[in-house]
Amino acid sequence: GAGVSQSPSNKVTEKGKDVELRCDPISGHTALYWYRQSLGQGLEFLIYFQGNSAPDKSGLPSDRFSAERTGGSVSTLTIQRTQQEDSAVYLCASSWGGGGTDTQYFGPGTRLTVL
Amino acid sequence: KNEVEQSPQNLTAQEGEFITINCSYSVGISALHWLQQHPGGGIVSLFMLSSGKKKHGRLIATINIQEKHSSLHITASHPRDSAVYICAVSGNDMRFGAGTRLTVKP
Repeated sequence: GAGVSQSPSNKVTEKGKDVELRCDPISGHTALYWYRQSLGQGLEFLIYFQGNSAPDKSGLPSDRFSAERTGGSVSTLTIQRTQQEDSAVYLCASSWGGGGTDTQYFGPGTRLTVL
Repeated sequence: KNEVEQSPQNLTAQEGEFITINCSYSVGISALHWLQQHPGGGIVSLFMLSSGKKKHGRLIATINIQEKHSSLHITASHPRDSAVYICAVSGNDMRFGAGTRLTVKP
């Protein structure tokens, strides 16, 4: 079947605007993860969903960041009042089970540029 | 000090050489993951392990839970192995190493 998909693939926005990033996980995967990779830096954990619940929101960088998952499937990551330091590639991954103990399948990412 | 340390940061090898990348971590974990990221960005999970050793083709991953250390080995390296290799540990979240950039020359 299809892998993890993300949309849009690229997003250019102006500072102060809100953006929504979407992730479609592999069908049947109960766990969904959001990560961020800033230019020249490593991967950073943002949030993890088990079903529709997010047991751990500690990775979200600020209260401008929020995420939700509905129907145990699609997830959206929303960044309000974007700042230039939000520019990064946002990656989504999914796995059958949660707790980081199953293989994760990564999407292609959304490249966000905040001007 | 980062909770997940990888070495070396950069590695250049000749085709056919045996490659080792090391990962040490300082937190409790449920599992350790080795990821591969090719130029252009796509990330692929190579291994997930919580004990012992796993082998897939020319790639071998080992973990020593007591020493909090893992190694990724590539036998008979090939230019197509050129990529960034990332170690990550999972518990309630995921912590990532900075990555090892491997270049294999023909």
